[in-house]
Amino acid sequence: EVQLQQSGPEVGRPGSSVKISCKASGYTFTDYVMNWVKQSPGQGLEWIGWIDPEYGSTDYAEKFKKKATLTADTSSNTAYIQLSSLTSEDTATYFCAMPYNYGRGLDYWGQGVMVTVSS
Amino acid sequence: DIAITQSPSSVAVSVGETVTLSCKSSQSLLYSENNKDYLGWYQQKPGQTPKPLIYWATNRHTGVPDRFTGSGSGTDFTLIISSVQAEDLADYYCEQYFVYPLTFGSGTKLEIK
Repeated sequence: EVQLQQSGPEVGRPGSSVKISCKASGYTFTDYVMNWVKQSPGQGLEWIGWIDPEYGSTDYAEKFKKKATLTADTSSNTAYIQLSSLTSEDTATYFCAMPYNYGRGLDYWGQGVMVTVSS
Repeated sequence: DIAITQSPSSVAVSVGETVTLSCKSSQSLLYSENNKDYLGWYQQKPGQTPKPLIYWATNRHTGVPDRFTGSGSGTDFTLIISSVQAEDLADYYCEQYFVYPLTFGSGTKLEIK
């Protein structure tokens, strides 16, 4: 069974960085890209980017190119997103999600991680 | 980037009624090689993770009740919820996965009268 288990809630001070994780199980981690999606409080879904764990290649939405860094550790089947230079606009829930079945969109999602930026 | 527009932003219906949600894309999502539209619908209940409902515009994911029906092609798509149940209270998002960057509509909030 495919599962994406994300780390716990984070609180970061303005200007600092946070790194959250997404541990994958139930499939071959290097066979599928991992996407990340942002949801600000009371708002919709925004695609941040994807990483190919096998090659480490990445692609980002333009607005997140200086904000997010995606990495993956194939030894632990874990994908990460690091958010830098935190501001109040980064307060949101961050989901990892992957397209396991071809053509079916993002059919598996992590439970989401709430990141709160507060001094 | 492909822009996705959803309407209405919110709708209130009574249990048992039928509701129609609209999703429009700024570009065609139809891939000519396989004649599939790369458009999906997701349901997000309060405090929960988005749940995939529909893929390729018209196909239900496993376990999705048949009261959820996706239709449309090209740039205009619809999600019809027949015989709405109280448990259908949620936000509904459409998403294009025809090309990166993936883009979502702003969502439709379904409320129960």
